[in-house]
Amino acid sequence: NAGVTQTPKFRVLKTGQSMTLLCAQDMNHEYMYWYRQDPGMGLRLIHYSVGEGTTAKGEVPDGYNVSRLKKQNFLLGLESAAPSQTSVYFCASSYVGEGTEAFFGQGTRLTVV
Amino acid sequence: SQQGEEDPQALSIQEGENATMNCSYKTSINNLQWYRQNSGRGLVHLILIRSNEREKHSGRLRVTLDTSKKSSSLLITASRAADTASYFCATDPRIYNTDKLIFGTGTRLQVFP
Repeated sequence: NAGVTQTPKFRVLKTGQSMTLLCAQDMNHEYMYWYRQDPGMGLRLIHYSVGEGTTAKGEVPDGYNVSRLKKQNFLLGLESAAPSQTSVYFCASSYVGEGTEAFFGQGTRLTVV
Repeated sequence: SQQGEEDPQALSIQEGENATMNCSYKTSINNLQWYRQNSGRGLVHLILIRSNEREKHSGRLRVTLDTSKKSSSLLITASRAADTASYFCATDPRIYNTDKLIFGTGTRLQVFP
């Protein structure tokens, strides 16, 4: 059982380039989340989705876009990467309902130079 | 600004000692969860406590919740070197209509053999 899989695991981008991070889950979860983790900042919610075809903004959405065309996939896009987007990105998913735990992927380390 | 903040930011103890870390949050919640993150890995769910609960146990873990003070504590008893990790609290704020986990800044725990 793969759980939550993120690709790629590492990436270096030049300022202004674009890229898409892919998150895939095989647990039939309704909810999916994208977080970024920076030193001393903990995890901050970028965008999230409560079901196929729906997305919503989190705490730090600027500079990112997301899509949830299929229930099992949640894509995070950077249209024009900036050095401030250098971070470790985590995807997570969970079942519907209050009080369910989130399952995390292993993270994508992105460096923008 | 983030919903939760852990205290202390870093904690170093010897094996066999107890480790206590605290989490404070800002708004009313449905539940509070604790997660663990080993270096370079994704987060793993440890325990959940609902807003109408005051204390919960799971193995060597004990979690308390004081909604009047908007705070929670995680106690790890008889710590082991393998408990070395970062620990995060995550809240499900009531102000949102959907489940949305907001994480704190984390406590880095170092357990020396």
